[in-house]
Amino acid sequence: AQTVTQSQPEMSVQEAETVTLSCTYDTSESDYYLFWYKQPPSRQMILVIRQEAYKQQNATENRFSVNFQKAAKSFSLKISDSQLGDAAMYFCAYRSTRIYSGGSNYKLTFGKGTLLTVNP
Amino acid sequence: DAGITQSPRHKVTETGTPVTLRCHQTENHRYMYWYRQDPGHGLRLIHYSYGVKDTDKGEVSDGYSVSRSKTEDFLLTLESATSSQTSVYFCAINKEYGTEAFFGQGTRLTVV
Repeated sequence: AQTVTQSQPEMSVQEAETVTLSCTYDTSESDYYLFWYKQPPSRQMILVIRQEAYKQQNATENRFSVNFQKAAKSFSLKISDSQLGDAAMYFCAYRSTRIYSGGSNYKLTFGKGTLLTVNP
Repeated sequence: DAGITQSPRHKVTETGTPVTLRCHQTENHRYMYWYRQDPGHGLRLIHYSYGVKDTDKGEVSDGYSVSRSKTEDFLLTLESATSSQTSVYFCAINKEYGTEAFFGQGTRLTVV
């Protein structure tokens, strides 16, 4: 079974600064997806960024980028130029790419989350 | 949001009563999931469905049952609610061969 670990329950950053959220995972699979989801106080789950394990290039979406270290099983999220609207709970998640007869290959395994505070 | 609607959005119920949460989608996707979110645990999979009348258990399925009699609706039932089932419940869908999951807005359930 796969596990996802977020070792930082809470983080804070000053507006306009850069912050990095950590995520490690454990799997015996060679191909998979990794995601960062953002959950603001509205409770909506918003996909921030995704990474395919077979791609060596780190994913980037505007101010959000990841540092994907496959051998180390590490998947950190860097938020540059932090904004007040970035304040939220952030979840790291893993999904297998293996094909199963049912829909279990689409299921997500989540970390416990990191609560990010952005200080003005 | 892939047309996902959860109902109700909030509910308070008493211990021992049955509760049903509904997830409705408008795009006829095959794969649907129920997760619960608790502080210190992240989101955990309760049950999932890969088609009409095709369902399977997730990691925290005890005390829950599901039904999917038509593609658009996936129901989660707590047969006899307990305080440990106080949680926020999320429905999610996956498009076939798609990558990411799309989530509903969640249901906050309080069992008193």
